Amino acid sequence: EAQVTQNPRYLITVTGKKLTVTCSQNMNHEYMSWYRQDPGLGLRQIYYSMNVEVTDKGDVPEGYKVSRKEKRNFPLILESPSPNQTSLYFCASSLAGDSSRNTGELFFGEGSRLTVL
Amino acid sequence: AQSVAQPEDQVNVAEGNPLTVKCTYSVSGNPYLFWYVQYPNRGLQFLLKYITGDNLVKGSYGFEAEFNKSQTSFHLKKPSALVSDSALYFCAVVRRGSYIPTFGRGTSLIVHP
Repeated sequence: EAQVTQNPRYLITVTGKKLTVTCSQNMNHEYMSWYRQDPGLGLRQIYYSMNVEVTDKGDVPEGYKVSRKEKRNFPLILESPSPNQTSLYFCASSLAGDSSRNTGELFFGEGSRLTVL
Repeated sequence: AQSVAQPEDQVNVAEGNPLTVKCTYSVSGNPYLFWYVQYPNRGLQFLLKYITGDNLVKGSYGFEAEFNKSQTSFHLKKPSALVSDSALYFCAVVRRGSYIPTFGRGTSLIVHP
């Protein structure tokens, strides 16, 4: 089954304790992205990656890191979490490149709800 | 730059009545346009898309959307709403060749029994 898998789905942590949210897709997609969703603010893009070893900042990258060492994985790293990073996080993927198959349709994970105390 | 506006934070409709969720966009060229739906405690799911051709696009769960180039709009519609359609709906635009979508802020659809 084609899917995007995020872990953990729920996490409560404390300020300053490094954490990683993993994201894996099994569709051989080039493009992967992280979003955070907050009430009244919609979806905001944190980082995205067009392919292996190619990453770029989105709209709200401060306090986050990412890496893309393999095509299927795109972990989100919070080196020193703060309470303002309490949010619902989504990973998404899609085809990229100049192909008639690529129309930009995103496949989303189920979300990771993070609480930083 | 590209942008998407969903002017209504919430839309209320009675079950059985038609529904419309509005979306307007600003982007150069001919974009790809999408609607996604998010049910409670779930990720976003693709609903439908406009690529080219017929301005009326049909998607999942009986939804359809009408592309209007002159008004730069892509409103989501359904002839007869169900209570189970209650969810958060996001409009998104992708400029051809960029692969990076811009999302609207979302519209909460509430269908009353």
